[in-house]
Amino acid sequence: DVKVTQSSRYLVKRTGEKVFLECVQDMDHENMFWYRQDPGLGLRLIYFSYDVKMKEKGDIPEGYSVSREKKERFSLILESASTNQTSMYLCASSLAGTHVYGYTFGSGTRLTVV
Amino acid sequence: TQLLEQSPQFLSIQEGENLTVYCNSSSVFSSLQWYRQEPGEGPVLLVTVVTGGEVKKLKRLTFQFGDARKDSSLHITAAQPGDTGLYLCAAGGATNKLIFGTGTLLAVQP
Repeated sequence: DVKVTQSSRYLVKRTGEKVFLECVQDMDHENMFWYRQDPGLGLRLIYFSYDVKMKEKGDIPEGYSVSREKKERFSLILESASTNQTSMYLCASSLAGTHVYGYTFGSGTRLTVV
Repeated sequence: TQLLEQSPQFLSIQEGENLTVYCNSSSVFSSLQWYRQEPGEGPVLLVTVVTGGEVKKLKRLTFQFGDARKDSSLHITAAQPGDTGLYLCAAGGATNKLIFGTGTLLAVQP
């Protein structure tokens, strides 16, 4: 069964901490994505990557950075966590040609910043 | 910015009822997908439609892509409590990024 695995289901961090969210896929997908999901705002794209060591900003990159050193792993970094970054974070991957194959999502990380 | 609007936003129905969810845009897309997300989980792909006018059936779910490839609908026949969840449409264009709709939250009461 193909998978996208996010390292934590629930995470509580303090304001100002550096936070790492890890995502690993076992499907040899080229594309990987990080979204945050908030009630009433839907899914918002933070960053995405089409290849190793490649990254592009999504719609809301401020306060975040990413790293993709290996094809299967895409990490989201909150440089200095703030309470407005409390959210559900979803990682997804896809083959090139998303419009046919779609995304495979992880189960999500619910992050609370206190 | 391309937008996908879904309606209704919320739907609460009794088991056995039929329902339709709509996904609309002013833009033309190369494909459209529907996902279902259960509480505490990530969205799961249900179907992809790529041809204008295309209709696909998945058991009690019927998906249609509009003739002009700007809209889509999801019809559920005889809804069951297991259909409860957030339904998201997502459209693909020239890039590898999908644009997600605003979502429809469905609750099916037993």
